[in-house]
This record gives sequence, structure tokens and C-alpha cells, in this order.
Amino acid sequence: SQKIEQNSEALNIQEGKTATLTCNYTNYSPAYLQWYRQDPGRGPVFLLLIRENEKEKRKERLKVTFDTTLKQSLFHITASQPADSATYLCALDMSMGRRALTFGSGTRLQVQP
Amino acid sequence: GAVVSQHPSRVICKSGTSVKIECRSLDFQATTMFWYRQFPKQSLMLMATSNEGSKATYEQGVEKDKFLINHASLTLSTLTVTSAHPEDSSFYICSARGSGAYNEQFFGPGTRLTVL
Repeated sequence: SQKIEQNSEALNIQEGKTATLTCNYTNYSPAYLQWYRQDPGRGPVFLLLIRENEKEKRKERLKVTFDTTLKQSLFHITASQPADSATYLCALDMSMGRRALTFGSGTRLQVQP
Repeated sequence: GAVVSQHPSRVICKSGTSVKIECRSLDFQATTMFWYRQFPKQSLMLMATSNEGSKATYEQGVEKDKFLINHASLTLSTLTVTSAHPEDSSFYICSARGSGAYNEQFFGPGTRLTVL
């Protein structure tokens, strides 16, 4: 069956360091992968989309890589700040054309001041 | 990015009653909206895909007669939880798909349903 796994349930880092989150998937070849941020009691907020033919994508302090051979995406936050503390979700469209998203279980990032 | 609203943000109801949740795309037209459910400490689980003017497509295990979805216009989809029970208590989130070629979705703020 198709699966999305985010290896770390929680990640604690010091302010100013780089946070690296991992998303692995199996039994699927997605055309693109997305990352979202979710704060407690709120809906997810779109951060980045990376296509299968893109190795890396950046947006301000965020960087996403996509390795279709390893079936893995890495999400980096550089110069992390306490305000970056949230749950980060990766998501794939595994819906055979319906454009619906399947989400990973999320990684809860805590940036300590 | 585009804005999606949900109403109400929080609802508490008695077991056996029905609850309607509205999802609106405020500044764009959404031919497709999605409904998700999220239990505590879990990720979002897709319940159904709602297409304007047609019947919703439900995910396996989601009862279509219990979770009624209506997508009457390009900016509004509603989810009605009929005869709600305590196990239906959850965080319900809708999203609307943008017009881009890829599936960038904009999510509503969610509705916290508590069934007593």
C-alpha cells in the first residue's frame, strides 16, 4: 500500500540552528510533493511545492529537496526562530487524478530560544 | 495566498443532533473542495472530495449518509454531520484547490466539533 512517513514525531533545536525534517514515501511516484505548516487548532498553511523534475527549491529561510530515487524529501529551516515552532506536514497527491492530498503524520518542531 | 473561511469555528452539540459546517473560498472560485478530519495528535485524513454541481466522492470507510456534502456554488461547500455521536468529535478542515496546474490547496481554519 502507499505510505507517507515523517520519521520524527518531534524535533527540538536551538534558535539559530538549521532544522531538517524528513518525509519518505513508498509505492508511489508523485509528480510533486508539498510541505505545510500547522499551528495548534488551526488549518494547515501551504509553504512549498516541489515538482519531480526539481531537485531543490528555496523560499526565504526554507529549502526543500526531492529525491525521487530515494523516494524522500528533506525540508530545511535555516536560522531557525522560536516563531518557527509548529507541526510541519508533507503531502502527496495519491488520489489518481482527483488532486486530493494524503498527509504524513507530521513533525512537531520546537525551537528553543 | 487565497483565503478560505469556515463557519462555525467551534460547535458543541448533543448526541443525535445534526451539525452543518460551511466552507467558503473568499477571493477565488473553487471547482473542487476537500473535507478532512483530524483527531488529536494525528494527521489530516481525507474524508471526501466535493465538486461543484456534482455528487461528492467519499473515501473508503466514510459514510456518505452520515456526512452529507453539498457544493452548490463555486465558493461554498457544506458538510453536515447527521445524527452526531461522541465518536464524531474531531477537528474538521476544508480546503479549496487553486487554479494552478498543480495542486496547491488553501485550507480553512478548521471547525472543532464536540458531541456530548
